[in-house]
Amino acid sequence: QQPVQSPQAVILREGEDAVINCSSSKALYSVHWYRQKHGEAPVFLMILLKGGEQKGHDKISASFNEKKQQSSLYLTASQLSYSGTYFCGTYRGSTLGRLYFGRGTQLTVWP
Amino acid sequence: SQTIHQWPATLVQPVGSPLSLECTVEGTSNPNLYWYRQAAGRGLQLLFYSVGIGQISSEVPQNLSASRPQDRQFILSSKKLLLSDSGFYLCAWSGTGTISYEQYFGPGTRLTVT
Repeated sequence: QQPVQSPQAVILREGEDAVINCSSSKALYSVHWYRQKHGEAPVFLMILLKGGEQKGHDKISASFNEKKQQSSLYLTASQLSYSGTYFCGTYRGSTLGRLYFGRGTQLTVWP
Repeated sequence: SQTIHQWPATLVQPVGSPLSLECTVEGTSNPNLYWYRQAAGRGLQLLFYSVGIGQISSEVPQNLSASRPQDRQFILSSKKLLLSDSGFYLCAWSGTGTISYEQYFGPGTRLTVT
């Protein structure tokens, strides 16, 4: 039931792009993306709803392919502040509010 | 605006001692509430969630319990801590009457069982 994230880790130089993938074997209602910096709590980034549009703010965007039960997070022109662990959380629309989180993707951006 | 508080921020407890962690939410009513545990360098494990006062669902059988005595208060407890209970405990809330259920996390409690 836990979604699968890939890759497990990414190392980038400032200004480079990255893609983080999240896939589920179950039909999804929505996909949530969070970023957690070391020693801190996860912070909500964005949500992709079934039938909704691709989301994004600043240079971080995401897409959701409902038919494939997959979502991708796109980070363009990475900044040092993008470093952290990114988690996807999937909502299947059954148990109210219950999200299934992936194991996370550790992103490191070097100057 | 909504705010979520957790305390204490850090805790060191001996094996076999009791535990009580508290979480409160401000600025919203009837939220869904969640307790997660995160082991060092690992993902988020859902422990309990609640959709209302006195309504608790347990995800993982363990020596922990949760209670929701008030609408915006969520408590995580244990009668006797184990070494394996060490970790980063996170409380989160999400709105109701919405289709999105995005979750907002508190600052967390770092528990070390010695």
